Amino acid sequence: RKEVEQDPGPFNVPEGATVAFNCTYSNSASQSFFWYRQDCRKEPKLLMSVYSSGNEDGRFTAQLNRASQYISLLIRDSKLSDSATYLCVVNPRHNTDKLIFGTGTRLQVFP
Amino acid sequence: DAGVIQSPRHEVTEMGQEVTLRCKPISGHDYLFWYRQTMMRGLELLIYFNNNVPIDDSGMPEDRFSAKMPNASFSTLKIQPSEPRDSAVYFCASRRQGAQGYNEQFFGPGTRLTVL
Repeated sequence: RKEVEQDPGPFNVPEGATVAFNCTYSNSASQSFFWYRQDCRKEPKLLMSVYSSGNEDGRFTAQLNRASQYISLLIRDSKLSDSATYLCVVNPRHNTDKLIFGTGTRLQVFP
Repeated sequence: DAGVIQSPRHEVTEMGQEVTLRCKPISGHDYLFWYRQTMMRGLELLIYFNNNVPIDDSGMPEDRFSAKMPNASFSTLKIQPSEPRDSAVYFCASRRQGAQGYNEQFFGPGTRLTVL
């Protein structure tokens, strides 16, 4: 089983739609969680951290469910510029600086 | 401020040749990471350094791969001899030592390697 699993998509949604991605992780001791965004043929960039209480940044909402070991990302009012691959990222345990990246979920927003 | 700098951006070589990828981290960052990205396996950590010291190289595929960080502003990833299955995008990333849980990594633009 992979440490971090995501639905690869693609998710094809019209502008203005709400879309949600889920990600599951296997290590219950995982400490920190993030969503990174990667545009086509570009490097990954941090989109947002995921806090236990859930957090929101504009149109983006991230949530963590430790009991079920999954993380979600909700995008409201999708824009064309949201088209990208979204990587779920986990710091697998307390005493490591490593990050484990999921293979990503591709989002395509169309007019 | 300059971000992470990688060179070359593209490399095409023949099987059996030596390949050297270069990375300059963001000034003041204490950690440097080398990743490989393929369609099949996604982004995989190869090795990372803290204060120029290799901490975890468990992701290095085999002895053909080696990495060095001779100083705080430069690192290399070398493949010798290269094989077609090494074709991938290689990213370097860096981050600052921070509070527990602060783990934002800044990635370079990557080197797209093709081994024929």
